[in-house]
Amino acid sequence: DADVTQTPRNRITKTGKRIMLECSQTKGHDRMYWYRQDPGLGLRLIYYSFDVKDINKGEISDGYSVSRQAQAKFSLSLESAIPNQTALYFCATSDNSPEQFFGPGTRLTVL
Amino acid sequence: GQQVMQIPQYQHVQEGEDFTTYCNSSTTLSNIQWYKQRPGGHPVFLIQLVKSGEVKKQKRLTFQFGEAKKNSSLHITATQTTDVGTYFCARRSGNTGKLIFGQGTTLQVKP
Repeated sequence: DADVTQTPRNRITKTGKRIMLECSQTKGHDRMYWYRQDPGLGLRLIYYSFDVKDINKGEISDGYSVSRQAQAKFSLSLESAIPNQTALYFCATSDNSPEQFFGPGTRLTVL
Repeated sequence: GQQVMQIPQYQHVQEGEDFTTYCNSSTTLSNIQWYKQRPGGHPVFLIQLVKSGEVKKQKRLTFQFGEAKKNSSLHITATQTTDVGTYFCARRSGNTGKLIFGQGTTLQVKP
């Protein structure tokens, strides 16, 4: 959805580099999520946030950190990227209804 | 965490054939959601089921939630090339809204 945007869309980086993936939404949702997708594993939750003062770890938070700069912005950082963090990363938003709205994804390659 | 297992991982069908993907849990689910991801795209919400034995239809798609609320299925009647993609089931945590995804079933349709 154009309501949820992610930058960059593609990124190639080297082992040990710090990288930030950004997510913005215009849906006015309080809840934001970061997932990674790997072939055969589905999507796994990295971090989630209910508002700017609330950050929670998901299933696979090791090696990642997040920042909720505003209600509309939720960034994911890899402090020191490693090759097994090569994946497709999705940001998602929701309100109290069941549906989550996903961004277009960021394809990250760590060499 | 409480996982949901999804089978098969891949399915190739001839256009016009039916297709079914199954989602199973060892524990009782409060709900089950289904998402579709087109090739190169992002997951898009299809439906949420919450009631034991629930059956819902969306055109050629039929969604079922088992009587014991431990399994679910998505059935597509007379597949079309537009049905190509990966179908994910997911359980939603009522308190946090976070999703635990199955591994997905990738559907290929031969014209």
